[in-house]
Amino acid sequence: QKEVEQDPGPLSVPEGAIVSLNCTYSNSAFQYFMWYRQYSRKGPELLMYTYSSGNKEDGRFTAQVDKSSKYISLFIRDSQPSDSATYLCAIHGSGNTGKLIFGQGTTLQVKP
Amino acid sequence: DSGVTQTPKHLITATGQRVTLRCSPRSGDLSVYWYQQSLDQGLQFLIQYYNGEERAKGNILERFSAQQFPDLHSELNLSSLELGDSALYFCASSPIRGAGNSPLHFGNGTRLTVT
Repeated sequence: QKEVEQDPGPLSVPEGAIVSLNCTYSNSAFQYFMWYRQYSRKGPELLMYTYSSGNKEDGRFTAQVDKSSKYISLFIRDSQPSDSATYLCAIHGSGNTGKLIFGQGTTLQVKP
Repeated sequence: DSGVTQTPKHLITATGQRVTLRCSPRSGDLSVYWYQQSLDQGLQFLIQYYNGEERAKGNILERFSAQQFPDLHSELNLSSLELGDSALYFCASSPIRGAGNSPLHFGNGTRLTVT
């Protein structure tokens, strides 16, 4: 079993839709959770960073963490064609290093 | 712009050859991480350096090696290249050694093609 599981999609939605992206993880010791966005031929760009269970909002983006279910989500409201990208969840593994464990990434296309 | 600089952007080489990828971290960041991204494996952690010393190792092949220099830039050396080494190689940096409360910032990668 992979430490972080993410449905690769692809996911196609019309402009203005609410998008829900999800990941599950296996180790209850994981504490820090991130979402990165990656455009084609670019490096991953940090979108959201959360520590505790609950919701964190930033503009049209909301990150949600449910530690009891080991489940993290990213919601995008009023999706735009410019949101078309691959979204990667990332989790800081346990231990005293800064390395992140990434999900496979979900490819999102927002159609005008 | 993340502030992490990687060179070269593209590299095409033949099997059996050796290449060096270069990374300059964000100003003030002491930790450098190398990741490999391929279509079937996603982003895989290779190795981390902190202030010149190896900090953590992931799924890095013995044919690959890395180092971090006193000016904090890092190089990833790939030798005896095989077709399967074709991938995107990303460098990331963070200001501190290990705590998870410091997200990584990525460069735009080096695309390696082995023919």
